[in-house]
Amino acid sequence: DTGVSQDPRHKITKRGQNVTFRCDPISEHNRLYWYRQTLGQGPEFLTYFQNEAQLEKSRLLSDRFSAERPKGSFSTLEIQRTEQGDSAMYLCASSHPGDPYEQYFGPGTRLTVT
Amino acid sequence: EDQVTQSPEALRLQEGESSSLNCSYTVSGLRGLFWYRQDPGKGPEFLFTLYSAGEEKEKERLKATLTKKESFLHITAPKPEDSATYLCAVQPPHLLTQGGSEKLVFGKGTKLTVNP
Repeated sequence: DTGVSQDPRHKITKRGQNVTFRCDPISEHNRLYWYRQTLGQGPEFLTYFQNEAQLEKSRLLSDRFSAERPKGSFSTLEIQRTEQGDSAMYLCASSHPGDPYEQYFGPGTRLTVT
Repeated sequence: EDQVTQSPEALRLQEGESSSLNCSYTVSGLRGLFWYRQDPGKGPEFLFTLYSAGEEKEKERLKATLTKKESFLHITAPKPEDSATYLCAVQPPHLLTQGGSEKLVFGKGTKLTVNP
């Protein structure tokens, strides 16, 4: 399968712990996006990379959230000092430079903070 | 604030009963409107992109149309495997002060159930 992959698929953590998620985009896709989705809602934009540069961040991305894409390939999203309100599905998407508007999503990482 | 509203929130159809889902938006200067399908516990699956009013796209039993204020996803003779949540998203215009915005703004989706 050559789609967007995310790891882990599920993560259960205790409040106050740090967690890190990984996203591997589709090969040759230079743009990478992170979204968050809660039950009954559509995905909400968090941040966007073009190659290794982080070009846009949402106001939803508080100081406890940080994202990186060091070599312009895979990306990580870290949440520090997790809170119960961080429980959600974290989705990664990527797009090809030839079709930059079409974003293809991965399966998501389901985070549960207890 | 850019807004995307989808209706109905939920729709139950009998197999073979055609219907339409609606997506209305308040974004001006739309750069694109997107339809996705999402199965429970999975990421959204890309279906269509529409760029200008009057544009139509088809895929199997699905047909998406776009006007200046809304989009419709028509489902013809649906089957149980079409059951899913259908998400609509828009891409707002470039924000000149920030050099561009690439985010998608999603609606809450329409949960479609097709009974055999």
